Amino acid sequence: KAGVTQTPRYLIKTRGQQVTLSCSPISGHRSVSWYQQTPGQGLQFLFEYFSETQRNKGNFPGRFSGRQFSNSRSEMNVSTLELGDSALYLCASSPSNADTEAFFGQGTRLTVV
Amino acid sequence: AQSVTQPDIHITVSEGASLELRCNYSYGATPYLFWYVQSPGQGLQLLLKYFSGDTLVQGIKGFEAEFKRSQSSFNLRKPSVHWSDAAEYFCAVGNQAGTALIFGKGTTLSVSS
Repeated sequence: KAGVTQTPRYLIKTRGQQVTLSCSPISGHRSVSWYQQTPGQGLQFLFEYFSETQRNKGNFPGRFSGRQFSNSRSEMNVSTLELGDSALYLCASSPSNADTEAFFGQGTRLTVV
Repeated sequence: AQSVTQPDIHITVSEGASLELRCNYSYGATPYLFWYVQSPGQGLQLLLKYFSGDTLVQGIKGFEAEFKRSQSSFNLRKPSVHWSDAAEYFCAVGNQAGTALIFGKGTTLSVSS
């Protein structure tokens, strides 16, 4: 069974630009969550999508958005990039049944210059 | 407020010695607790989880953790550390599906020979 796949693995963007990251969950998983990991703030929850609907949301500005498609693949978008958005962005998928866990991808390393 | 505290930022243990990583949580609902490990440049791998039942849970790679509700703790232990255990360890609390996780800041484990 293939794991969670995130593309691209590395990105370099300029301040003010926007970026879209992609996540393909494990087959059969309907929940996709996104996390931001930085040295200063650690791992922070961005949002979760389930059946194409945002189910939970962390405390991030509106520049961070996401969506989920009917095949459960998810994208997250960051508009008007700031230097502080440089981070490892991790995607996790879950079957979202009771007593399950999230499986993480290897992440997308975003550098904003 | 919901939070996870890992008091130890960095721990060094001799190979073959025992290990305990501390984790305290604050969560308004029934806590579902997880320990994840992250090697450099990699995503997160689940070591073990606690949902209910026996408060001592066994995980992969010889790790175990004990849930103590009265102390709001979920400490990770391993009787004999191997050099390959050097990594960063994260404690997390979340919902029953293992999504929308709140992570601690992590503990970096170094193993000396």
